[in-house]
Amino acid sequence: DTAVSQTPKYLVTQMGNDKSIKCEQNLGHDTMYWYKQDSKKFLKIMFSYNNKELIINETVPNRFSPKSPDKAHLNLHINSLELGDSAVYFCASSQRDRGNTEAFFGQGTRLTVV
Amino acid sequence: SQQGEEDPQALSIQEGENATMNCSYKTSINNLQWYRQNSGRGLVHLILIRSNEREKHSGRLRVTLDTSKKSSSLLITASRAADTASYFCATATGANSKLTFGKGITLSVRP
Repeated sequence: DTAVSQTPKYLVTQMGNDKSIKCEQNLGHDTMYWYKQDSKKFLKIMFSYNNKELIINETVPNRFSPKSPDKAHLNLHINSLELGDSAVYFCASSQRDRGNTEAFFGQGTRLTVV
Repeated sequence: SQQGEEDPQALSIQEGENATMNCSYKTSINNLQWYRQNSGRGLVHLILIRSNEREKHSGRLRVTLDTSKKSSSLLITASRAADTASYFCATATGANSKLTFGKGITLSVRP
């Protein structure tokens, strides 16, 4: 059973399109995250939700909108895609109320904007 | 802004040798974590060390933390070809324990 699963794994789309990436975790965690990894492998946090409430919102263009319908799901919608949005997007989850705990990552979604 | 900085950026060793990777950070932390990423895959958590701990072991991994120098090191003993991957340190800071990653170290273990 996959702990944190993202779909799709690969996404190729044209500039200007709108796309969504879905994430689900079956670990019972209360916190979920979206990270962006660029071509130099630099990982940057974008958003974090705790119990469906947005708790971290980094400097991200407002074309990116996260949605958490419940604790087990955190989706990422991207409007008006740009070439610079090409990257690998990782979803992760952790149990925040236990204090010092690790994050579990999905396999990533490689987004290519052409 | 980037919190963790690893060095070296790339490390190539022979199987059986030990690999030491370092991480420095800038602000107070709740804990520091090390992750591994195989090519084309997600990150896998390796080990977590709390801010009040100085050393921790897990199998062939040994991590140290020096909060006065704001630095950590990860030692992988008796390396194997399967250890070839990118390694990231990540610091957890603030009330939300936000995880901030360094740029990563590429480790190559030659068989």
